[in-house]
Amino acid sequence: VHLVQSGAEVKKPGASVKVSCKASGYNFIGYYMHWVRQAPGQGLEWMGWINPIGGGTNYAQKFQGRVTLTRDTSTSTAYMELTGLKYDDTAVYYCARVRGGLPFFEYWGQGTLVTVSS
Amino acid sequence: EIVLTQSPGTLSLSPGERATLSCRASQSVSSSYLAWYQQTPGQAPRLLIYDVFSRATGIPDRFSGSGSGTDFTLTISRLEPEDFAVYYCQQYGTSPLTFGGGTKVEIK
Repeated sequence: VHLVQSGAEVKKPGASVKVSCKASGYNFIGYYMHWVRQAPGQGLEWMGWINPIGGGTNYAQKFQGRVTLTRDTSTSTAYMELTGLKYDDTAVYYCARVRGGLPFFEYWGQGTLVTVSS
Repeated sequence: EIVLTQSPGTLSLSPGERATLSCRASQSVSSSYLAWYQQTPGQAPRLLIYDVFSRATGIPDRFSGSGSGTDFTLTISRLEPEDFAVYYCQQYGTSPLTFGGGTKVEIK
């Protein structure tokens, strides 16, 4: 199993960012994909999940209205778009695949650093 | 949401010593759905333990988890040099999923 994320981004406040997570080595539609972020020197923060079958989503309340998770089953890629970026959105964003039916994470992407700076 | 409080914030130990890390939940963790992760600088977290005490694939048996309800413990029986890292607990019984703030295990 491999999850390969897109490269680092630098964005201005108010802009949007879209991070990709390309999956390989398993049946993409068989496992929910989650997104977790980590601000510099801080802990882990769950953002939401997407069900690759049908594209159903669930977002943490903190990010409701600003985050959109999507997927492209033809390329086995999941996406996380965050709009209205603020300075405190500066963080490493990870995609993480569940191990089975329960939402703990056996596989992680390498992380994508998003820096919000004017 | 369930708040997870990890203690201590930092644990200073020597290789070969035993490490005991605590994770306390603000309310009972449903069905004992608690996991532990290890993170080293610049790396993604690595799953160590799930369902309170089940070791993930490839995790050595010096790592063990215990607890129930609101109090959980990760024990590393004898610290190896590669075990000096930050450890996070996570509950997945109740949405939103939440993580503890982490415990750093550093070399004394």
